[in-house]
Amino acid sequence: GIQVEQSPPDLILQEGANSTLRCNFSDSVNNLQWFHQNPWGQLINLFYIPSGTKQNGRLSATTVATERYSLLYISSSQTTDSGVYFCAVGNQAGTALIFGKGTTLSVSS
Amino acid sequence: DAGVIQSPRHEVTEMGQEVTLRCKPISGHDYLFWYRQTMMRGLELLIYFNNNVPIDDSGMPEDRFSAKMPNASFSTLKIQPSEPRDSAVYFCASSLNGDGYTFGSGTRLTVV
Repeated sequence: GIQVEQSPPDLILQEGANSTLRCNFSDSVNNLQWFHQNPWGQLINLFYIPSGTKQNGRLSATTVATERYSLLYISSSQTTDSGVYFCAVGNQAGTALIFGKGTTLSVSS
Repeated sequence: DAGVIQSPRHEVTEMGQEVTLRCKPISGHDYLFWYRQTMMRGLELLIYFNNNVPIDDSGMPEDRFSAKMPNASFSTLKIQPSEPRDSAVYFCASSLNGDGYTFGSGTRLTVV
């Protein structure tokens, strides 16, 4: 099956710093989503982005499907950005997402 | 919409007992997914439904696990008999056309 690798596994930032999280996948995809799991365990959908670029406030994401990677940018990080960021992909219509192992982000004030 | 609703939020049970987890998807969504999260294995897909029909249950760990979706607004995941290694957080998610998933708050299951 398709493999999903996220990097870095852990990231520690000071409030106000910017960061880039990467997701590599082993096959072509038609579905790619980014999620944030907050410290209370809730999984929040950030982006549905099988290709192209999207922005939502301080967060943006870019997927280059032909090169099999996606990037999540966090600008001016805040303590509330702490948690685990997951990339998840699907490569066939109607199939479910496969999740990467996540990047754990800690933002300190 | 109230989002995806899961119950119970927490469940503690003794080994050998039957456990039933429940999920109400977002109205109008045609896909429903059950995932399990553990430290060792991360987020694993157990089973998913499209228009109430099970499509792929290859992630169900063994015959002790079963899932049903009797109608568009309700699904259950049952473990019988439960074992300590089943302890995990179980998430339900729904989506429209397989696009942006919305997850429920999860059920934290502890089997002692």
